[in-house]
Amino acid sequence: QQQVKQSPQSLIVQKGGISIINCAYENTAFDYFPWYQQFPGKGPALLIAIRPDVSEKKEGRFTISFNKSAKQFSLHIMDSQPGDSATYFCAASDRGSTLGRLYFGRGTQLTVWP
Amino acid sequence: EADIYQTPRYLVIGTGKKITLECSQTMGHDKMYWYQQDPGMELHLIHYSYGVNSTEKGDLSSESTVSRIRTEHFPLTLESARPSHTSQYLCASPAGTSGRENTGELFFGEGSRLTVL
Repeated sequence: QQQVKQSPQSLIVQKGGISIINCAYENTAFDYFPWYQQFPGKGPALLIAIRPDVSEKKEGRFTISFNKSAKQFSLHIMDSQPGDSATYFCAASDRGSTLGRLYFGRGTQLTVWP
Repeated sequence: EADIYQTPRYLVIGTGKKITLECSQTMGHDKMYWYQQDPGMELHLIHYSYGVNSTEKGDLSSESTVSRIRTEHFPLTLESARPSHTSQYLCASPAGTSGRENTGELFFGEGSRLTVL
């Protein structure tokens, strides 16, 4: 059973546009929602993360919007650049559990055209 | 940050060979994880460890085995590789300092891409 559902699977955006990736979850025990960015041949790297007591978090051009009642969260990339072309994974964690493991979405392959 | 080192980065081997993928971290973290990643699929947890001499299987059934004899090392072994084992294997440990690990954030190594012919 997939714990975190992510869409779209792929996304093509023109340079300067806004990229939006959406995720949804069911487990209300999740209390931490990080996003990872992965370039080809590299491991995933933490990009930005949010706790459920916050509705929005912004770091530079990257913003997470969080809707606790809908159990949804999304990543917005403003002024998308070709260098943002990568695969993005949303994730969720129950940090109170003994293991505290992460559950990942299936990823979104973002391509930003110059 | 955690420094996670994985070797080899790429490995192409024949069916039936035994392989070991190495993973080491420098932060002294107790928790370590192995994820398997296939194209278009989420990262699947295949093994994890709470510390020395502690290993558990994750969600995705895997024929691989792991060991944790030293805190800094968490190698993954396939006794007899098959083409179905072709995948990318990612090792990770939590952010934060030892004893104050934030398991909501993981640092990943660069991965070991295994191809079994």
